[in-house]
Formats: sequence, structure tokens, C-alpha cells
Amino acid sequence: AQTVTQSQPEMSVQEAETVTLSCTYDTSESDYYLFWYKQPPSRQMILVIRQEAYKQQNATENRFSVNFQKAAKSFSLKISDSQLGDAAMYFCAYRRRWKTSYDKVIFGPGTSLSVIP
Amino acid sequence: KAGVTQTPRYLIKTRGQQVTLSCSPISGHRSVSWYQQTPGQGLQFLFEYFSETQRNKGNFPGRFSGRQFSNSRSEMNVSTLELGDSALYLCASSLDRVSEAFFGQGTRLTVV
Repeated sequence: AQTVTQSQPEMSVQEAETVTLSCTYDTSESDYYLFWYKQPPSRQMILVIRQEAYKQQNATENRFSVNFQKAAKSFSLKISDSQLGDAAMYFCAYRRRWKTSYDKVIFGPGTSLSVIP
Repeated sequence: KAGVTQTPRYLIKTRGQQVTLSCSPISGHRSVSWYQQTPGQGLQFLFEYFSETQRNKGNFPGRFSGRQFSNSRSEMNVSTLELGDSALYLCASSLDRVSEAFFGQGTRLTVV
């Protein structure tokens, strides 16, 4: 069974600094998607970034970038120039491609990020 | 473009009662998934519907059920509520089954 692990339950970063959130996953599949979702206190789950497993190039979305290491099954999120609005729970998620569609999304336990002014 | 709408936002029920939660996906989205979020278990997949058919189901008892209508709106029902069913229930919609999911704000269910 696929699992997603986030080993850092809580992290903090100084405003304008850079922080990296870790994620590892376990799968025997070769075709899948990885995601980072952000959940602020409003509870609205927001997609931050996604990465297709077949792409070697790391995804980037403005201040957010990932370091995807397929062989190591690692998928870390780097937030540059951290802002107060980045404070939230961050979930790493996995979704395998199964036949012609995708399987359910499996979420990690989350990392609570605090941003210090 | 309106996002995913979940109603109601908050709900308090008594043990043994049943509850129905509603989810209206983004216009044009045909896939709807439901998740339960609790502090202890995190985010757990309940089920997914596409074109009015359940395509995927998580490891939840039969008290949890759902359906999807022809306009892609979905409902989930929990019967014989237990205290442990208290959770945030999140609905997510996708354009089809191969796209990323967009989440609603959730329904906070409290069972007393």
C-alpha cells in the first residue's frame, strides 16, 4: 500500500527567509502525481504545486518549488521569501495513475508551518 | 468561477442520528471525492464519484454512503452517528479523474 510520510510535525521560519518541508512516500508504482496542499486556518485546502512522476524537471510555482528525487522517493517543498500568509498546515499527497485514470489521493500527516514576523 | 461549495458549514448531531452533507462541485467538474479529516487520523479518503457512479471507496464502515446526481452534485450520508464521526468532512472536485482536486471549505460535524 502506498504511504506518505512527513517527518516534521511543526516548523517555523522567519519572514523573508527560506524553509524546506520534507516528504517521503512509499510506492511500487512508476506513474503517479505528487502534490503539496496548503490548509490555512480557514480550512480551505489549496493546491500549492504538483509534480508528475515521469518528469525529471522539478516543478516551480512562484516562490514555491520542489525537489523531486524519484529514486529516493522524496518530494520536498521549498518556500522562498516566506510571507505571513504562508502560515498554514502543509500536506504532501500522492495519487497514482491507475489504468486510464487516477486512484484516490493519499495524504501525509501534515506539517504545521509558522511564520515569525 | 465559483469554487466547490459544501453545505452546511457546521452541524451538531446526537449519537444515533443520521446526517446528510452536500457538495456542489465547480461547474463542469464531473469527479467528486470525499475526505474525513480528524486530528488523530489526518485526512482519510471516503469515496469518489464520477458520472453518478462510485469509482473508489476507502476503508469506512457501511454507515458511510454517498451518491452523485446528474448535475455532478454529491451528497454523503452517515447513519447511526457515533462520537468518533466528529470531523471535518471535505469534498473535492476534479474536471475528470485525471486532474488535480479542488477542495471546498468543508463541513464541520460534531456528534454529541
